[in-house]
Amino acid sequence: EIVLTQSPGTLSLSPGERATLSCRASQTVSRSFIAWFQQRPGQTPRLLIFGASSRATGIPDRFTGSGSGTDFILSISRLEPEDFAVYYCQLYGTSRALTFGGGTRVEIK
Amino acid sequence: EVQLLESGGGLIQPGGSLRLSCVVSGITFNSYAMSWVRQAPGKGLEWVASISGSGLYTYYAGSVKGRLSISRDNTKTTLFLQMNTLTAEDTAVYYCSTGGYEEYFNYWGQGTLVTVSS
Repeated sequence: EIVLTQSPGTLSLSPGERATLSCRASQTVSRSFIAWFQQRPGQTPRLLIFGASSRATGIPDRFTGSGSGTDFILSISRLEPEDFAVYYCQLYGTSRALTFGGGTRVEIK
Repeated sequence: EVQLLESGGGLIQPGGSLRLSCVVSGITFNSYAMSWVRQAPGKGLEWVASISGSGLYTYYAGSVKGRLSISRDNTKTTLFLQMNTLTAEDTAVYYCSTGGYEEYFNYWGQGTLVTVSS
C-alpha cells in the first residue's frame, strides 16, 4: 500500500506570499494519479488539481500542481484570504487504496 | 448542476448497523465510479470504498473491509453504504463523491454525520 506524507503539517504565511506544499509517496506513483483538494473550515473538500498538474474547472491559475514519481508539489503563487485552509493530496490510481495524505494547514501568520 | 445528497446518518450504538444513501443528479450516473470518503471529528480525509460505474467492481480500505459494503442502483442514480458492526472509530462525516480507481474525485456531497456511541 502506498502511503502519502504531506509536509509541512502547518504553514504560516501572510496574504500575498507564495505557498509550497509537499506530498511524498512511499512508492513511485504510476501515470501521476495524484489529486489535490482544498477544505475550508466547515466545508466540503474541493478538487483543485488532478493528474498531478491539471487544474480542475474554475480553479484560479495561482494554483499549480507539479511533480512525478514520488514527489509532488502544490504551489499557490499569491495567497488570497480565502486560500487559508487545509490541503490534502490523494492517490487515485491504485485499486488497493485510494489514499489521502494527512493534510497541510495553511494559516495566516 | 451536479448534486449529491447524502442521507441516513445519525446516532447508533456500538455493534449496530446503518445504511447511508447518496442520491445523485446532473450527471450520467452510470458513467461515473463513485466513492465514500469519511472524516472523523477534527481529523483528515479517509477513503472508505469505491465502486465502478457498472457496479461490478468494488474496492475497500483495509480498516472497513468485511464490515462496510458499497453498492449502487443505477436506475435510481443512488449510491449506498451498508455499515455493520459499527465501532466508535467509525464516527465521522461520510461524504459521497464521484470518482474511484483512476477517476479523480470531482464532485462531493455535503456529508452525513454518523455517531457511534452508547
